[in-house]
Amino acid sequence: EVQLLESGGGLVQPGGSLRLSCAASGFIFSRYAMSWVRQAPGKGLEWVSTTSGSGDSAFYADSVKGRFTIFRDNSRNMLNLQMNSLRAEDTAIYYCAKDRIAEPVHWFDPWGQGTLVTVSS
Amino acid sequence: DIQMTQSPSSVSASVGDRVTITCRASQGISSWLAWYQQKPGKVPKLLIYAASNLQSGVPSRFSGSGSGTDFTLTISSLQPEDFATYYCQQANSFPLTFGGGTKVEIK
Repeated sequence: EVQLLESGGGLVQPGGSLRLSCAASGFIFSRYAMSWVRQAPGKGLEWVSTTSGSGDSAFYADSVKGRFTIFRDNSRNMLNLQMNSLRAEDTAIYYCAKDRIAEPVHWFDPWGQGTLVTVSS
Repeated sequence: DIQMTQSPSSVSASVGDRVTITCRASQGISSWLAWYQQKPGKVPKLLIYAASNLQSGVPSRFSGSGSGTDFTLTISSLQPEDFATYYCQQANSFPLTFGGGTKVEIK
């Protein structure tokens, strides 16, 4: 069974940093692109970032480009998101999501349970 | 960037009703479209991929259609467990984008 377990969320001040992690199991991690998708309280879904299976490629939403870095450790089946220069508008539940198939077609299945990031003073 | 516009933003329906949700892309995306269901407090769940392909385990009352810029998600006979918010998502190009969501509520 595929499992994705996020960690690292919490309360951080504006301008601060946080690193999210997603522990993956139940599939050959290195074969699948992985993504982060967030959802602000009471709002819709917003794609944040995607990395290829090898980790050689990364893509970002304009809203986080230059502040967030996605990276993965395929030896440990871990996906990470380093978030710097955090803003109030980054407050959201952050979901880790696996591509449905081992091809560069980015439909998300499944999703992790999410980790809440709150940016506030 | 490709903008995804869903309509309606909310719909009230009764058990047994047929419900149709539309999603329009700001430019052609072929069939690179997915639909997700999210129940309150729960994680999004993939329903449909490639515009019309039913994800394994999803009931057959769900169906998707369309290509290019116009897409629909249809629930043929609404069940109590279908009350949720539905999102479309384009996978044609980065940045990946979601529609604003359609909340299906009990009438």
